[in-house]
Amino acid sequence: KQEVTQIPAALSVPEGENLVLNCSFTDSAIYNLQWFRQDPGKGLTSLLLIQSSQREQTSGRLNASLDKSSGRSTLYIAASQPGDSATYLCAVKGVSSGDKLTFGTGTRLAVRP
Amino acid sequence: DGGITQSPKYLFRKEGQNVTLSCEQNLNHDAMYWYRQDPGQGLRLIYYSQIVNDFQKGDIAEGYSVSREKKESFPLTVTSAQKNPTAFYLCATTDGTGRNQPQHFGDGTRLSIL
Repeated sequence: KQEVTQIPAALSVPEGENLVLNCSFTDSAIYNLQWFRQDPGKGLTSLLLIQSSQREQTSGRLNASLDKSSGRSTLYIAASQPGDSATYLCAVKGVSSGDKLTFGTGTRLAVRP
Repeated sequence: DGGITQSPKYLFRKEGQNVTLSCEQNLNHDAMYWYRQDPGQGLRLIYYSQIVNDFQKGDIAEGYSVSREKKESFPLTVTSAQKNPTAFYLCATTDGTGRNQPQHFGDGTRLSIL
């Protein structure tokens, strides 16, 4: 059964710092991995989707990488801003799970002004 | 996500009562999903539907029911059989064309027990 882990559970950094969020998964047979952002009391916003054949995806200050063989993905946020404060979740779509996603528990990020 | 509307935003349930959470989408997406989110846990799939008039159980379907009579709508009923319904419920959709389409989410409904 696929398991997705995100460490650390919480992170606090000063504004302007570059940071990396980690996501690991146990079954490397995946179609894709997706990173989401969740603000308090809100739904999830899709940030980046990396297909299994890709190594990375970029959107603005965000860069996500995927190492399928080692079961790891990172989300790199450059020049962090207070507006980046949110919970970041990763989810994988496994080959054996059809159209279903398996989610990690998220990393809660606080960027201090 | 402006294309997915969940209502109400807050809902209270009395003991023995069934309640229905609404999810409507105007994205013309084929697939729709219901998730439950509890503090400190990842999202868990309750039910999903890939096409009108068809749906499948997710990992935690007991105590819940759904219908998919229209492409735009996928209501979730929390029945009295669900003994611990207090949670944040999220509806999501995916364009049915291909495996690598992102999921889009509504803003959620928070359900509490009175």
